[in-house]
Amino acid sequence: GAGVSQSPRYKVAKRGQDVALRCDPISGHVSLFWYQQALGQGPEFLTYFQNEAQLDKSGLPSDRFFAERPEGSVSTLKIQRTQQEDSAVYLCASTILGGMGNQPQHFGDGTRLSIL
Amino acid sequence: GQQVMQIPQYQHVQEGEDFTTYCNSSTTLSNIQWYKQRPGGHPVFLIQLVKSGEVKKQKRLTFQFGEAKKNSSLHITATQTTDVGTYFCAGPSGNTPLVFGKGTRLSVIA
Repeated sequence: GAGVSQSPRYKVAKRGQDVALRCDPISGHVSLFWYQQALGQGPEFLTYFQNEAQLDKSGLPSDRFFAERPEGSVSTLKIQRTQQEDSAVYLCASTILGGMGNQPQHFGDGTRLSIL
Repeated sequence: GQQVMQIPQYQHVQEGEDFTTYCNSSTTLSNIQWYKQRPGGHPVFLIQLVKSGEVKKQKRLTFQFGEAKKNSSLHITATQTTDVGTYFCAGPSGNTPLVFGKGTRLSVIA
């Protein structure tokens, strides 16, 4: 597709349920990033991949958060045993090359997650 | 780790007035990026600054990177209603490619 695609756009789950959020980056983009954005805040880094390798997961809030990109293209962010504080917009971004923070990031529209 | 601070948090201006947002880092940055996020939208890349003292212009927007590469600013001349949104600066920190500031939310009153 032309841009980064995320699904679902909206997700409502009950506390304790597991959720999976999908990101389809721009075709051919090497690096993929996940961010969490709370209302009125800036995007908070969660993790990123270069191809299928997860190079940094220091931003994942707890071991309930898990991300994968098994074939170096589509990525899934999974949150287990969701809690109310997980409610946020989850943004995915991709860059055409690998490397460290020196390229424009192209963002998807995000998944708005609400935990009841 | 490196923190990126932005001020002000909010700015309300009359259409036609100028607007400036400032970004400060606790450490020297190799580069800094600016993004704009419209209400309900996603961040959109505006520009990247790399060189010490660099100044770049995009129509009514002027971006500056400080001599010490620890601060940056975005100045908008004669704001329009289309400038409404939140402006974020972001820079690399350690092994993390991009750390975002909390942003400056701009409201423009017509």
